[in-house]
Amino acid sequence: KAGVTQTPRYLIKTRGQQVTLSCSPISGHRSVSWYQQTPGQGLQFLFEYFSETQRNKGNFPGRFSGRQFSNSRSEMNVSTLELGDSALYLCASSLNQASGYNEQFFGPGTRLTVL
Amino acid sequence: AQTVTQSQPEMSVQEAETVTLSCTYDTSENNYYLFWYKQPPSRQMILVIRQEAYKQQNATENRFSVNFQKAAKSFSLKISDSQLGDTAMYFCASRTQGGSEKLVFGKGTKLTVNP
Repeated sequence: KAGVTQTPRYLIKTRGQQVTLSCSPISGHRSVSWYQQTPGQGLQFLFEYFSETQRNKGNFPGRFSGRQFSNSRSEMNVSTLELGDSALYLCASSLNQASGYNEQFFGPGTRLTVL
Repeated sequence: AQTVTQSQPEMSVQEAETVTLSCTYDTSENNYYLFWYKQPPSRQMILVIRQEAYKQQNATENRFSVNFQKAAKSFSLKISDSQLGDTAMYFCASRTQGGSEKLVFGKGTKLTVNP
């Protein structure tokens, strides 16, 4: 079974531009979460989606948005990019069954550099 | 709100020796999970070990074991017979049980295993 895939793996943008990152969960997984990883702030939770609905949201400005499609694939968008948005963006997926523990599996990440 | 603190930014150990990574956490929840994740230089985040807060018995996975002290809100990871492949960033994380799968991470400990 293929793991979590994220595209693109690397991205270079300039300030003021917008960017869309994609995450394809493991087949059958219904929950997708996004995290931002920076040297200064560490790993911070961005959002969580389940069945096309945002279930939880981290403390990020409105420039950060996301969505989930009916096939569970998810995208996140960052508008009006700032230098501080340079980070590794990680996506994680899980089965999210109603009972019991559901392990989250992480993708390799998208490295975004804002110049 | 949950918080996770890792007080050791970097550690090193000789191959075949034992090393312990420290983690403290704070939560107002009664039911929660605690995790140790490993992020090798290749960046893929991997789950090392999981502990359910309601279980008194410490979790063990091969060479990896935890010392879970619930009253002290302490959750340390012991790696026995360290191997060169254990070189990585190690993140302690917490998550409430049920509902959202949001993970709260510590800042990480960079572990280097020396030959």
